[in-house]
Amino acid sequence: KAGVTQTPRYLIKTRGQQVTLSCSPISGHRSVSWYQQTPGQGLQFLFEYFSETQRNKGNFPGRFSGRQFSNSRSEMNVSTLELGDSALYLCASRGQGLGKDGYTFGSGTRLTVV
Amino acid sequence: AQSVTQLDSQVPVFEEAPVELRCNYSSSVSVYLFWYVQYPNQGLQLLLKYLSGSTLVKGINGFEAEFNKSQTSFHLRKPSVHISDTAEYFCAVSDLRRTGNQFYFGTGTSLTVIP
Repeated sequence: KAGVTQTPRYLIKTRGQQVTLSCSPISGHRSVSWYQQTPGQGLQFLFEYFSETQRNKGNFPGRFSGRQFSNSRSEMNVSTLELGDSALYLCASRGQGLGKDGYTFGSGTRLTVV
Repeated sequence: AQSVTQLDSQVPVFEEAPVELRCNYSSSVSVYLFWYVQYPNQGLQLLLKYLSGSTLVKGINGFEAEFNKSQTSFHLRKPSVHISDTAEYFCAVSDLRRTGNQFYFGTGTSLTVIP
């Protein structure tokens, strides 16, 4: 079956702009989580959505937001971009079964803010 | 909340030598444990997991890990590494007491296999 698909793979934006990243989870997975990965900070949890509702949230400013659609696809938005937002953004989905299968990750979107 | 500690940020090892990547977490109560591997410019891939039962679990690519409840550790081992094992390795804990069995990741260990 198809894996987790993230689009676009690469993105270059200017400081102050906003950006929207997209994630299509594995078919049947209702939980989608987003992570920011940088060399200095490692994997930082942004938020998790389950059945269109935000279930958990990390410690990021309000400029970072997300949503999930009825087909479980998710988008993440970052407004007023800062240089420090340059990172690899990873999306991951989980199925039912109390998380026993762990996450399946997409290949990520590499965002560069200039 | 759980905390996951990977004590070694970088581990260099010669090809065909054994390796152990260490992972400690804060509480063994109601957890699932995972190891993931990340190759350059890719997402994370599941290596192995511990849910319950036998404390020694085997994963892909010849890796194994042992769950130690009393020491709250879940160290990853491989008896003989290959060049292709060069990658970033992440330990993760799913806390079943948290909403949605929330995941917590360690900061990662960069394994470099030296020819």
